[in-house]
Amino acid sequence: GEEVAQTPKHLVRGEGQKAKLYCAPIKGHSYVFWYQQVLKNEFKFLISFQNENVFDETGMPKERFSAKCLPNSPCSLEIQATKLEDSAVYFCASSQFVGRVGYEQYFGPGTRLTVT
Amino acid sequence: SQQGEEDPQALSIQEGENATMNCSYKTSINNLQWYRQNSGRGLVHLILIRSNEREKHSGRLRVTLDTSKKSSSLLITASRAADTASYFCATDGQGGKLIFGQGTELSVKP
Repeated sequence: GEEVAQTPKHLVRGEGQKAKLYCAPIKGHSYVFWYQQVLKNEFKFLISFQNENVFDETGMPKERFSAKCLPNSPCSLEIQATKLEDSAVYFCASSQFVGRVGYEQYFGPGTRLTVT
Repeated sequence: SQQGEEDPQALSIQEGENATMNCSYKTSINNLQWYRQNSGRGLVHLILIRSNEREKHSGRLRVTLDTSKKSSSLLITASRAADTASYFCATDGQGGKLIFGQGTELSVKP
């Protein structure tokens, strides 16, 4: 598609429950990025993929967070045993290329996760 | 940690006035981008400036980059109520990830 799609828009989970978020990148874009935005300001990079391969996972809290991008499926970000501090908006972005010259990333509308 | 800081954190102006937002960063960069976020929505790309460029224009937007001071500014001329949003600068991290500033919340009053 022409836009990055994210589902669901909102997700409410009790502490300790699992949360799974989905992202469909723009067709033809090889790179997918996940970011976490807490409290309407800071964006934190979590993980990126080049096609189905993990490209950079330096931002991922590895104990409870995992992500996948499988062929012919939306990418997913899963949080096992959610904590209150995981409450945030999770954005997915895609781009055609990455490189020194810089490339625009196209952002989805985000999934708002509320952990109660 | 975030790459840089934006200044001011919040800005309130009247329609028709110009709005200037500043962004400072810490490490050397290849490029810097500005994004807009309308309330509760995703980021929209505004402009990209490369490290060998000093100034770039796009419609009512003007971006400057001073690599010696590690700073950039975004000027919106003749602002409109529809420009009300948060504006973020982002520098290029390793592997193409974006490293964001904390954002400037702009309010344009009609």
